[in-house]
Amino acid sequence: QVHLVESGGGLVKPGGSLRLSCAASGFTFSDYFMSWIRQAPGKGLEWISYISSDGDTISYAASVKGRFTISRDNAKNSLYLQMNNLRAEDTAVYYCGGYYWGQGTLVAVSS
Amino acid sequence: DLVVTQTPLSLSVTPGQSASISCKSSASLLHSDGRTYLYWYVVKPGQSPQLLIYELSKRFTGVPDRFSGSGSGTDFTLKISRVEAEDVGVYYCMQSIKLPPTFGPGTKVDIK
Repeated sequence: QVHLVESGGGLVKPGGSLRLSCAASGFTFSDYFMSWIRQAPGKGLEWISYISSDGDTISYAASVKGRFTISRDNAKNSLYLQMNNLRAEDTAVYYCGGYYWGQGTLVAVSS
Repeated sequence: DLVVTQTPLSLSVTPGQSASISCKSSASLLHSDGRTYLYWYVVKPGQSPQLLIYELSKRFTGVPDRFSGSGSGTDFTLKISRVEAEDVGVYYCMQSIKLPPTFGPGTKVDIK
């Protein structure tokens, strides 16, 4: 059974940083691409970052490029998202996954 | 970035009836490998996104056969046959032929 658990969200001031983690189980993590998507309050889904199974191919949405960094540790079955220089508009629930998605972790950026 | 649009943006359906959602992309989603990189997701109230259809018309694990995807090139349709109360939610199409993947704006489906 596929299980994805995000963690690391919270309240942060504008300009601050957070590191999200995603623990995967129930499938061969190293065989699959992974992504982060987010949903701001009252808004639609926004894809924000992608990483290939081996980590060689990475892509970011324009809205986060240069501020967010995606990475993975296949030995630990884990996906990460380092978020720097956070803005109010980054406030959202962040989900990790690809075909299946986790329950999400809330990031709130406010002074 | 490749733009994806959806119509309608909201839909009210009588239980037992069918519903269709249209999705259009600004470029063809047909890859040279023969696959069409168009996906359908639903976000039900209080839940995480769920994949319904991948690569145009393939139902994901556990998805009822009431859901079907069709189309080609730049025009696509999600059809929900015999709508049930549990189908309430916001439906999104997404393209992944070109990075970054992009979602449509979503179609809110509710029950009359």
